[in-house]
Amino acid sequence: KQEVTQIPAALSVPEGENLVLNCSFTDSAIYNLQWFRQDPGKGLTSLLLIQSSQREQTSGRLNASLDKSSGRSTLYIAASQPGDSATYLCAVTGRNTPLVFGKGTRLSVIA
Amino acid sequence: ETGVTQTPRHLVMGMTNKKSLKCEQHLGHNAMYWYKQSAKKPLELMFVYNFKEQTENNSVPSRFSPECPNSSHLFLHLHTLQPEDSALYLCASSPDRANTEAFFGQGTRLTVV
Repeated sequence: KQEVTQIPAALSVPEGENLVLNCSFTDSAIYNLQWFRQDPGKGLTSLLLIQSSQREQTSGRLNASLDKSSGRSTLYIAASQPGDSATYLCAVTGRNTPLVFGKGTRLSVIA
Repeated sequence: ETGVTQTPRHLVMGMTNKKSLKCEQHLGHNAMYWYKQSAKKPLELMFVYNFKEQTENNSVPSRFSPECPNSSHLFLHLHTLQPEDSALYLCASSPDRANTEAFFGQGTRLTVV
């Protein structure tokens, strides 16, 4: 059974810092990995999708990498801003499994 | 705005009530999902529909009853719920069931009293 773990559970940084969020998964036979952002009480916004054949994806200040063989992904946020404060969720799909989520990392960027 | 719309956004219901949650997408997707998000837990998959057919029921109690009348609409019918069913219920859609990007609605915050 696929399990997804995200470290750290919470993170507080000053504005302007570069930061890395970590995601690991137990079954490396994935189809893709997706990073989401969730604001309090709201739905999920898709940030980046990495197919299993890809190593990384970039969107603006966000860069996500995937090391499928070791079961790891990182989300790099450059020059963090207070508006980046949210919970970041990592999820993977497999051949017989729709998205399986981690518990998320709650990020606070302090002005 | 992700293209997936959920109504209502908030719902308070008694344990003897019957209510329904609605999800609508006009993205042309063929797969639709219900997820439950409780405090301090990962999102839990409840149901999956692919081309209007239910393909997964993740051991969900029968007091939750999904319905997918067409590929654009998904309902979750609720009856005789328990207080522990209070949660954020999220609907999602994707072009197909695997290997494609999923898009989520804003969720329905359900409180059972």
